[in-house]
Amino acid sequence: AQSVTQLGSHVSVSEGALVLLRCNYSSSVPPYLFWYVQYPNQGLQLLLKYTSAATLVKGINGFEAEFKKSETSFHLTKPSAHMSDAAEYFCAVSEGAGNMLTFGGGTRLMVKP
Amino acid sequence: GAVVSQHPSWVICKSGTSVKIECRSLDFQATTMFWYRQFPKQSLMLMATSNEGSKATYEQGVEKDKFLINHASLTLSTLTVTSAHPEDSSFYICSAIRDKGDTQYFGPGTRLTVL
Repeated sequence: AQSVTQLGSHVSVSEGALVLLRCNYSSSVPPYLFWYVQYPNQGLQLLLKYTSAATLVKGINGFEAEFKKSETSFHLTKPSAHMSDAAEYFCAVSEGAGNMLTFGGGTRLMVKP
Repeated sequence: GAVVSQHPSWVICKSGTSVKIECRSLDFQATTMFWYRQFPKQSLMLMATSNEGSKATYEQGVEKDKFLINHASLTLSTLTVTSAHPEDSSFYICSAIRDKGDTQYFGPGTRLTVL
């Protein structure tokens, strides 16, 4: 069985500040990990994914995430927040690409001017 | 590439009616499509997995007779909410993969409101 926990349902940062969204997972097999972003009333857009290659993964819009097996974590970061980053972010895990995704509860990122 | 569309983007219907939602892969053939529902301010919950030409696999707790899924071609899957009730009001999102080793590509979602 696999599960995902996102610590903090709401995160607020100032524009230009570091963004850190936390994700911890559990999986009985080596996981594939994903971060998706969802804007209001829209579907999900893939930000980045980890598929057992490099542990530091760079995605779109300046986001990156680091897979840490010892900590079972896959936290999402961005050095400098932009107003357009305000959205809902979901971490997800699957047992291999193309298989069922299990999503975390989501974190709403708010960016203050 | 890898664009998934859904139609309609939103629908309002009366209680007791049936509503069909389409999910299309526009520029690729999708061997598998997934259907999720998302309640307000909540995460996505997988409802079912459908493979072209075969019966859908439903997650525990999802009524297969209420949520009919048809995956008639490699580019189209439909979800029909039968005899809809207000508690079925939700945001329904589909995703598709090209092959087993692929990432899921998500559609824009369909907001269903049952009065």
